[in-house]
Amino acid sequence: GEDVEQSLFLSVREGDSSVINCTYTDSSSTYLYWYKQEPGAGLQLLTYIFSNMDMKQDQRLTVLLNKKDKHLSLRIADTQTGDSAIYFCAFSGARPGNAGNMLTFGGGTRLMVKP
Amino acid sequence: DAGVIQSPRHEVTEMGQEVTLRCKPISGHDYLFWYRQTMMRGLELLIYFNNNVPIDDSGMPEDRFSAKMPNASFSTLKIQPSEPRDSAVYFCASIGGGFGDLLYGYTFGSGTRLTVV
Repeated sequence: GEDVEQSLFLSVREGDSSVINCTYTDSSSTYLYWYKQEPGAGLQLLTYIFSNMDMKQDQRLTVLLNKKDKHLSLRIADTQTGDSAIYFCAFSGARPGNAGNMLTFGGGTRLMVKP
Repeated sequence: DAGVIQSPRHEVTEMGQEVTLRCKPISGHDYLFWYRQTMMRGLELLIYFNNNVPIDDSGMPEDRFSAKMPNASFSTLKIQPSEPRDSAVYFCASIGGGFGDLLYGYTFGSGTRLTVV
């Protein structure tokens, strides 16, 4: 099965760039995701990347995928206080013994943006 | 579609009482998941259904927890009797069964914040 690790906390100053990292063990995932959870809310899909891509950019967000090192990162440029949230990486792929559209989530990184 | 709908948003109950959490998935989604989130343990998968059938309930903490999905548009998670350590935010999520549905990932509800006193 998939083991996914994220650091627990990240603190940055407003206007700086944030880089949230994720390492994983299973290289068979087709889709790799980043979810954002704002305080008091559910998880919302922020962006995704196909496993055959190395990079995806979407406005202030840049996703980098290093398949060799099994490392996924999310860079947020010009971080704002509204970016303060918990960020989860997630990977598609079946759980052992089961089939279907299963996602495995990392433990989440709490991003704190200081004014 | 209004998204995944969970009710209630907040529930405060006394220890020993029965608690029922409800979820309406997105119409047409074949998979439904129940998660629990706490500060200590993070996001935990409790159980998931495929076409209304429970597939994996290995994450259910103990026999006090049960989940049902009587039809494609409704699921419940029941705790009986509830204990203070069950206090958490419970999320429901759904996804379609086609490979192309992976493009959109899971859609999560807003969660039910349960407090057992």
